[in-house]
Amino acid sequence: QVQLQESGPGLVKPSETLSLTCTVSGGSISSYYWSWIRQPPGKGLEWIGYIYYSGSTNYNPSLKSRVTISVDTSKNQFSLKLSSVTAADTAVYYCARLLRKYYYMDVWGKGTTVTVSS
Amino acid sequence: EIVLTQSPATLSLSPGERATLSCRASQSVSSYLAWYQQKPGQAPRLLIYDASNRATGIPARFSGSGSGTDFTLTISSLEPEDFAVYYCQQRSNWLFTFGPGTKVDIK
Repeated sequence: QVQLQESGPGLVKPSETLSLTCTVSGGSISSYYWSWIRQPPGKGLEWIGYIYYSGSTNYNPSLKSRVTISVDTSKNQFSLKLSSVTAADTAVYYCARLLRKYYYMDVWGKGTTVTVSS
Repeated sequence: EIVLTQSPATLSLSPGERATLSCRASQSVSSYLAWYQQKPGQAPRLLIYDASNRATGIPARFSGSGSGTDFTLTISSLEPEDFAVYYCQQRSNWLFTFGPGTKVDIK
């Protein structure tokens, strides 16, 4: 079955750009929407944005000015860039697939912890 | 932005008891609401989508209801593995928001 794996630096300095990649295995990235969600330590879930395999995107308005999500169908990967990070961006970052036709997150990666600190 | 409110914040119950969790939206989301379960150190798991449809592999003891602004997740008889945090999530207007969560813990 489809599996997702997040990868990227676990430590990012304040004001720099956080970059993560989600690799899709066991299935094609085509014909689905893909999403990023984060969870600060001890807190709830926050949706960051999603991308269709064709490249169209939609972002959380509260993060829109700092977020870019892109897709590389040749590598079966999609990526997240979050600029000008602060300590408030410290979180577990999850990638997820959106259920076809219904657009809820039905397959999730295990998550990767990103800490923003100098 | 549509805000989701969940109640109660914590629900203390014993195995075998019925759990009733509430999610309220600040404006109508039609039936575009899902429920997720999250255990410590794990990613969330989709339980219910479009308010009342069980996701693949989800036991029948989980059920969802509601539409508009008021939604309920019911666990008919709690199993030991059901003690976790539950989040609702809406997808109205193609923008997603999550509720703050309800923790179901062992009484």
